[in-house]
Amino acid sequence: NAGVTQTPKFQVLKTGQSMTLQCAQDMNHEYMSWYRQDPGMGLRLIHYSVGAGITDQGEVPNGYNVSRSTTEDFPLRLLSAAPSQTSVYFCASSLAGAPEDTQYFGPGTRLTVL
Amino acid sequence: AQSVTQLGSHVSVSEGALVLLRCNYSSSVPPYLFWYVQYPNQGLQLLLKYTTGATLVKGINGFEAEFKKSETSFHLTKPSAHMSDAAEYFCAVTDPTDSWGKFQFGAGTQVVVTP
Repeated sequence: NAGVTQTPKFQVLKTGQSMTLQCAQDMNHEYMSWYRQDPGMGLRLIHYSVGAGITDQGEVPNGYNVSRSTTEDFPLRLLSAAPSQTSVYFCASSLAGAPEDTQYFGPGTRLTVL
Repeated sequence: AQSVTQLGSHVSVSEGALVLLRCNYSSSVPPYLFWYVQYPNQGLQLLLKYTTGATLVKGINGFEAEFKKSETSFHLTKPSAHMSDAAEYFCAVTDPTDSWGKFQFGAGTQVVVTP
């Protein structure tokens, strides 16, 4: 049971490039989400999904796309990277997405956009 | 709308001393409350949470927190700090009336433990 896994661990992009951050979980969780972590700002919700085929925007969705074709995977796409997207990105999952549910976090992807 | 305030971005404690991390929330309804810990270069790990029932909640690694509705607070304590407690700590809330648990995080408190 690997929990929540994320790839890559580190990535450097040039402005305007695109890339996909991968997230997978093997706990059969329905709810998955993406956060970005910036110094002094805690973690902010980018997008979330309450099941395969269902996604919605969080607090800071601009510049990011998501899709959920399977229960296990929830990739985050940067369409045209900008320096403002330099951050650490965390994927999380919970069993049913209820407000009382514990969310389990992956190890993070550290992204630098030059 | 909810918000979370963690007082003090950095806290330094001596090994063996009390650890006290402050968390206050602003919410139209009492939220569900969580404390997470982040060790260097790792993801977040749940320490404890309060949803309903007893307002004093015990978590892992000797930490506990008390929900005080009148003070809109959920401060985290540990009686005796250990070197391994050096990490960043995040308070987070969710809205019980929401369909989904969208976390609102505080800015975090970095804890340094000195010998």
